[in-house]
Amino acid sequence: DAKTTQPPSMDCAEGRAANLPCNHSTISGNEYVYWYRQIHSQGPQYIIHGLKNNETNEMASLIITEDRKSSTLILPHATLRDTAVYYCTADYGQNFVFGPGTRLSVLP
Amino acid sequence: GAGVSQSPSNKVTEKGKDVELRCDPISGHTALYWYRQSLGQGLEFLIYFQGNSAPDKSGLPSDRFSAERTGGSVSTLTIQRTQQEDSAVYLCASSSGGRGAETQYFGPGTRLLVL
Repeated sequence: DAKTTQPPSMDCAEGRAANLPCNHSTISGNEYVYWYRQIHSQGPQYIIHGLKNNETNEMASLIITEDRKSSTLILPHATLRDTAVYYCTADYGQNFVFGPGTRLSVLP
Repeated sequence: GAGVSQSPSNKVTEKGKDVELRCDPISGHTALYWYRQSLGQGLEFLIYFQGNSAPDKSGLPSDRFSAERTGGSVSTLTIQRTQQEDSAVYLCASSSGGRGAETQYFGPGTRLLVL
């Protein structure tokens, strides 16, 4: 089955970089990897996406391995407001599969 | 501009009743998705609309669930003869579509409670 796998939870100290891993071993060559986050009781929010190259925007950086079987979302300076559930997903034939995500807790 | 809106924000119904959930996507977005999120769980894909193409209904859990999208804009998700296990947050998202342009913008969701 096409799916992504992520650790269920992670802690990060405020001000430090948060590195969230994702495995997507069944991804094919032209499927993009997307990251979203969901803060309690809200709809998911887009963070970043990429295909092959590393990407950076105002929110985060995305590192995709050369074989594209895994990626890492980097929040360079985590704040308390970054506490959320982070989802990695891919457009498997337009049927996006969202796993249970990683619950990131940013600690003061 | 306006984002994705959903209504109602909360719905409480009795087992066996039918419910309709509405989604207003971002204007001009051709793709629309419905997801279900049970408490503490990830998002479960339900159905996908893209333009005038036949919808991808592969995620609908049973024939009690159906959805339509009128005029390529507003979508309605209907659950017939609701069961307690249907209780969840139902999320709608839209995107402009196209390869690499499937960034989804989510609405706030409808919280459904079936008693």
